[in-house]
Amino acid sequence: QLQLQESGPGLVKPSETLSLTCTVSGDSINNTNYYWGWIRQPPGKGLEWIVNMLYSGTTHYNASLKSRATVSVDTSENQFSLKLNSVSAADTAIYYCARYCSGGSCVDHWGQGTLVTVSS
Amino acid sequence: EIVMTQSPAILSVSPGERATLSCRASQFISTNLAWYQQRPGQAPRLLMYGASTRATAFPARFSGSGSGTEFTLTISSLQSEDFAVYYCQQYVNWPLTFGGGTKVEIK
Repeated sequence: QLQLQESGPGLVKPSETLSLTCTVSGDSINNTNYYWGWIRQPPGKGLEWIVNMLYSGTTHYNASLKSRATVSVDTSENQFSLKLNSVSAADTAIYYCARYCSGGSCVDHWGQGTLVTVSS
Repeated sequence: EIVMTQSPAILSVSPGERATLSCRASQFISTNLAWYQQRPGQAPRLLMYGASTRATAFPARFSGSGSGTEFTLTISSLQSEDFAVYYCQQYVNWPLTFGGGTKVEIK
């Protein structure tokens, strides 16, 4: 059974870097059939797609984040990570890691989500 | 960027009644549309993809239809566990975009 679990600090100061890791069990992130990535949801609001990536290196970012986001993979730990730099209060959200359906389309598995608050 | 617009924002329905949710895309997306259900305090769950293919975890009372720019999610007879927020999402091109959601609440 596929499971995804987010981890990382729950509080980040403005202008600093948000760093989150997603640990995957029940599948390998080397699986070339699937994209992996991140989606966020400000408290009480809707969903915003951040990034999709294939193990092969193909990556798609949401341009609205203005190149602040970077995703990386650690195959030895079966993890992938998100870094978002120069954060502000607008980046306060629940961050979900996800596995996407074939072709990077829909999301067929979600992590439980982790709340990250940007505040001094 | 393709803008997804959902209506209504809030839908008040009695248990056992039918609920009809709408999603409109700002551009042609064929059937490259997914629906998600999100219960309070939980992550979203994939409900429908390809506009009308139901995910295995969901019962047949959920159905999806539409193509092009207009889509509908129908819940034929609302059960207590169906009261939630529903999001549509297009995946015809990047960036992937979601609608603002429809909250289905108990009338």
